[in-house]
Amino acid sequence: GAGVSQSPRYKVAKRGQDVALRCDPISGHVSLFWYQQALGQGPEFLTYFQNEAQLDKSGLPSDRFFAERPEGSVSTLKIQRTQQEDSAVYLCASRASGTSYEQYFGPGTRLTVT
Amino acid sequence: AQKVTQAQTEISVVEKEDVTLDCVYETRDTTYYLFWYKQPPSGELVFLIRRNSFDEQNEISGRYSWNFQKSTSSFNFTITASQVVDSAVYFCALRGGYNKLIFGAGTRLAVHP
Repeated sequence: GAGVSQSPRYKVAKRGQDVALRCDPISGHVSLFWYQQALGQGPEFLTYFQNEAQLDKSGLPSDRFFAERPEGSVSTLKIQRTQQEDSAVYLCASRASGTSYEQYFGPGTRLTVT
Repeated sequence: AQKVTQAQTEISVVEKEDVTLDCVYETRDTTYYLFWYKQPPSGELVFLIRRNSFDEQNEISGRYSWNFQKSTSSFNFTITASQVVDSAVYFCALRGGYNKLIFGAGTRLAVHP
């Protein structure tokens, strides 16, 4: 498809389980971002990749959160030992290089930790 | 510090009314970019507009218009003759370091028939 895709769309995890969320950016987009959106809030930045390099991970809330983009395309956000406060929608966005600063978002993965 | 404030949490209007969504930003950068995104019930954020700090010309796109005023650090969004399909959450955002977006809390717009 032409847009950013994410899978799964919904994930229910029991507290303490590990989860992996996948993002397929728009083909050719160099930049990839992950955001966390709590219910009723705006998205908050988690981490940023330029190709395969993770240049900014300042938004990751704890060392239980880990992201990778090994070949500069698909990215995975992993959350270890999930906790209830991790329940949120995780959004992925990609951006072309150059002066086009707008980011294009995927539909998100809604994570519910029970 | 960089910050975006959308003071209006929810707005409810009747179809065909005009509605303005407010956005106030804070930044120390002299060059910066502002954005508006729409989040319909499906959840996907849809890009609406980008504005850079050195272009204060207001923009109109169909029923949508944007008023950028550096003097008041505001970037307001007006929908003229609102329609039910405009019902969504609207986010204003500021570009931060490494091109990350700093979002406001959003304004939920409900347009009733």
